[in-house]
Amino acid sequence: KQEVTQIPAALSVPEGENLVLNCSFTDSAIYNLQWFRQDPGKGLTSLLLIQSSQREQTSGRLNASLDKSSGRSTLYIAASQPGDSATYLCAVQNYGGSQGNLIFGKGTKLSVKP
Amino acid sequence: NAGVMQNPRHLVRRRGQEARLRCSPMKGHSHVYWYRQLPEEGLKFMVYLQKENIIDESGMPKERFSAEFPKEGPSILRIQQVVRGDSAAYFCASSPDTGLLYGYTFGSGTRLTVV
Repeated sequence: KQEVTQIPAALSVPEGENLVLNCSFTDSAIYNLQWFRQDPGKGLTSLLLIQSSQREQTSGRLNASLDKSSGRSTLYIAASQPGDSATYLCAVQNYGGSQGNLIFGKGTKLSVKP
Repeated sequence: NAGVMQNPRHLVRRRGQEARLRCSPMKGHSHVYWYRQLPEEGLKFMVYLQKENIIDESGMPKERFSAEFPKEGPSILRIQQVVRGDSAAYFCASSPDTGLLYGYTFGSGTRLTVV
């Protein structure tokens, strides 16, 4: 059974710092891995989607990497800003699972202090 | 492009009542997925629907919960005889046929409180 773990559960950093969020999964047979952002009381915003054949994806100040064999992904945020404060969720789509059946971690709650 | 629309945003029901949650997918999306987020828990997949068909309901509780996506109109998640443990945020996502390639778009959720 696939399990997704995100460490740390919470992180507080000063503005301007570069930071890394971690995601690990127990079963490496995945189609893809997706990083989301969730703001309090809001829905999920997709940040980056990495297919199993890819090693990384970049969007602006965000870079996500995937090491499928070791069951790990990282989300790197450069030059953090207070507006980056949110909960970051990692989700995997299992190979052989139905479309849309994502397995989520519990998230890392990020707070960027001005 | 209004995105995935869910309503109501907040819903309060007394124990034993029925809750109906609605989801209109993005324009051009024919696949709908429902998730539940319990307090302090991660999102859990419930059900995947296409128009008039349930594709995967492996995450749906066996009793009191049902979902539909009719030919016309929004997808509906229905919870009968609600209990306090049903209090959660319910999220809907949608995708085109290529969801596996391009991912999924989520709505803002419905927060159900059972009193």
